[in-house]
Amino acid sequence: NAGVTQTPKFRVLKTGQSMTLLCAQDMNHEYMYWYRQDPGMGLRLIHYSVGEGTTAKGEVPDGYNVSRLKKQNFLLGLESAAPSQTSVYFCASSYSFKGLALNNEQFFGPGTRLTVL
Amino acid sequence: GNSVTQMEGPVTLSEEAFLTINCTYTATGYPSLFWYVQYPGEGLQLLLKATKADDKGSNKGFEATYRKETTSFHLEKGSVQVSDSAVYFCALTDGSFGNEKLTFGTGTRLTIIP
Repeated sequence: NAGVTQTPKFRVLKTGQSMTLLCAQDMNHEYMYWYRQDPGMGLRLIHYSVGEGTTAKGEVPDGYNVSRLKKQNFLLGLESAAPSQTSVYFCASSYSFKGLALNNEQFFGPGTRLTVL
Repeated sequence: GNSVTQMEGPVTLSEEAFLTINCTYTATGYPSLFWYVQYPGEGLQLLLKATKADDKGSNKGFEATYRKETTSFHLEKGSVQVSDSAVYFCALTDGSFGNEKLTFGTGTRLTIIP
């Protein structure tokens, strides 16, 4: 199993450009998450999904959109990138039982380092 | 709201030293507590967890005990190795059904010197 994979690994954008980050998991997990990691701030949740076709806002959703068209994929979009979105982005997934993922381990991808100039 | 406060880093220790990384939390309900580790260039991975008061989580020689009276979940290891060099994150979920979102601390960078 590949686990959680993310593409691309690195990207440099200019202000105002758009891009999509792709997350894929092969563990048949219902729950998927997008985080950003910034120095001194830990990880903050951007958006998450509790199943195919569903998405919800996390702690810092502004400037991002997401889609979960297939159970195994979770896409994070930046429509008009800003320097404040320079960060490392992590995707994660977790197993759920009867629709609940309480206390379950989240499995993380290797991250995407994004720089917005 | 929920929050996690952990020991500021970076922390530098010699091999075989005793390690403590402090973590305290604020949460509504009955939180579950986690320690995640991030090795250089990698994503986070679960190190250990505890889901109720007085539970002890353990893995790879690391331990942490869920102390409700002091709202703490300190990470300890008796003898660290160079391979333990990483960033350690304390985290919680607030325990309410339908709310599985992790709240993370800011992370503590640990460097072990041979």
